[in-house]
Amino acid sequence: SSVLTQPPSVSVAPGQTATITCGRRKIGDKSVHWYQQMPGQAPVLVVYDDTDRPSGIPERFSGSTSGNMATLTIRRVEAGDEADYYCQVWERSSDHPVFGGGTKLTVL
Amino acid sequence: QVQLQESGPGLVKPSETLSLTCTVSGGSVSYYYWSWIRQPPGKGLEWLGSIYYSGNTNYNPSLKSRATLSVDTSKKQFSLKLNSVTAADTAVYYCARLDSSSLDWHFDLWGRGTLVTVSS
Repeated sequence: SSVLTQPPSVSVAPGQTATITCGRRKIGDKSVHWYQQMPGQAPVLVVYDDTDRPSGIPERFSGSTSGNMATLTIRRVEAGDEADYYCQVWERSSDHPVFGGGTKLTVL
Repeated sequence: QVQLQESGPGLVKPSETLSLTCTVSGGSVSYYYWSWIRQPPGKGLEWLGSIYYSGNTNYNPSLKSRATLSVDTSKKQFSLKLNSVTAADTAVYYCARLDSSSLDWHFDLWGRGTLVTVSS
C-alpha cells in the first residue's frame, strides 16, 4: 500500500518530547522526509532522508525509521513548534511522492 | 537565496481553466524538477505534478489528464494549467522545488502558496 498513516493529533507539554509517527509496511526500505506547516504558512522541510536536517533546523528535531514506522521526534518542545507535520516518501514504482495525512501538534 | 512566488487568479469559474505561474528568483530553474502541490482548506497535501527544466513532465494520475505543466527557462518560470475545474479544486496551490541530490526525492523549497477558489 502507498498510504502513509499518521495520527491526526499529538499533544505535549512545553519542555517535553513530542513523537510523531508515520506508518507503512516496510517504510524502513524508503527514505522518509518530514515537513512542518505553521498555521497559514507553506510547509517547511525539517528532516530529509530519514535523519538529516536542512540548514537552520534546530537539533531538537530528529528523525528515525525502523521496520514499518518512521518517527519525527521533537525534544524540548516550545510553543512555537505548534504546527501540522507531514511525512513523505517517493514511490519509485510510479515516480511520484506520497504524503501522510498530517499530524497536528498541540503544545499544551 | 532562491525564492518561489506563485501568481494567478484567485477566483475561477466552474468548468473553466485554472492557470498559475511560479517565478523563481535568486537562482536558476536549470537542472531541477519543479512541482505543484495543493492543499484544500483544512485538508492535507496533494501532489499535482512535476516538470524538469528540459520539459519532461510527470503527473498525478488522479487528475485524469486535466493538468498541464510547462516551463520557460528564459523567464525563470513554470506554470500549471488545470482544466474543467470544479469546487473540489478549491485549494491553496504551492509551487515547490524537488531535490534529488540526496538519498531520495523531497521538496526542499516552497512558495508561499496562493488560494484559488472555484465558484460562479
